[in-house]
Amino acid sequence: AQSVTQPDIHITVSEGASLELRCNYSYGATPYLFWYVQSPGQGLQLLLKYFSGDTLVQGIKGFEAEFKRSQSSFNLRKPSVHWSDAAEYFCAGGNGGATNKLIFGTGTLLAVQP
Amino acid sequence: NAGVTQTPKFRVLKTGQSMTLLCAQDMNHEYMYWYRQDPGMGLRLIHYSVGEGTTAKGEVPDGYNVSRLKKQNFLLGLESAAPSQTSVYFCASSSGLHSQETQYFGPGTRLLVL
Repeated sequence: AQSVTQPDIHITVSEGASLELRCNYSYGATPYLFWYVQSPGQGLQLLLKYFSGDTLVQGIKGFEAEFKRSQSSFNLRKPSVHWSDAAEYFCAGGNGGATNKLIFGTGTLLAVQP
Repeated sequence: NAGVTQTPKFRVLKTGQSMTLLCAQDMNHEYMYWYRQDPGMGLRLIHYSVGEGTTAKGEVPDGYNVSRLKKQNFLLGLESAAPSQTSVYFCASSSGLHSQETQYFGPGTRLLVL
């Protein structure tokens, strides 16, 4: 069955430190992959997406993600975290088709220490 | 453009009561989706629509009904609310032009069923 897994429920980093949030997928073919961010009490905002081409994808707010087929991963990275990055991050995957349905991971809650 | 809006933002129901959640989008999107978000479970698809007058079941459709009478609106109904339906409900839309289209999310509706 298709699935998206985020192994880390909660991560705490210091402001200015680097960040990597993990995402693993299980799909028969190469999926379309997305990272969304949810600030407290808000809806989901798209950070970046991958569907073909260059495996290193740049997004908004200084985030990037790398698609690694051999590891079935699509990890999100940021070189220097800001306090405003504290939020919940969701990885999602889709296999296209006529409905464009997505499967979401369970989310990673990021806390940023001053 | 308002994007995707949801009404109401917050609601408290008693068990057995009914209610309708309204989602509206002004992006002329074909596809619309209803998700529920529960702690530790990410977002799960309830129902979706690939065009005006069409609806289909998602991952967790039981206890919900939907209607898409107008292209810009997608209604989610609870005929007899249960405490298990306490959740945050998100609506999303996408253009449907490409299989890897981004889904745009509303701000959510928090529902508490007592």
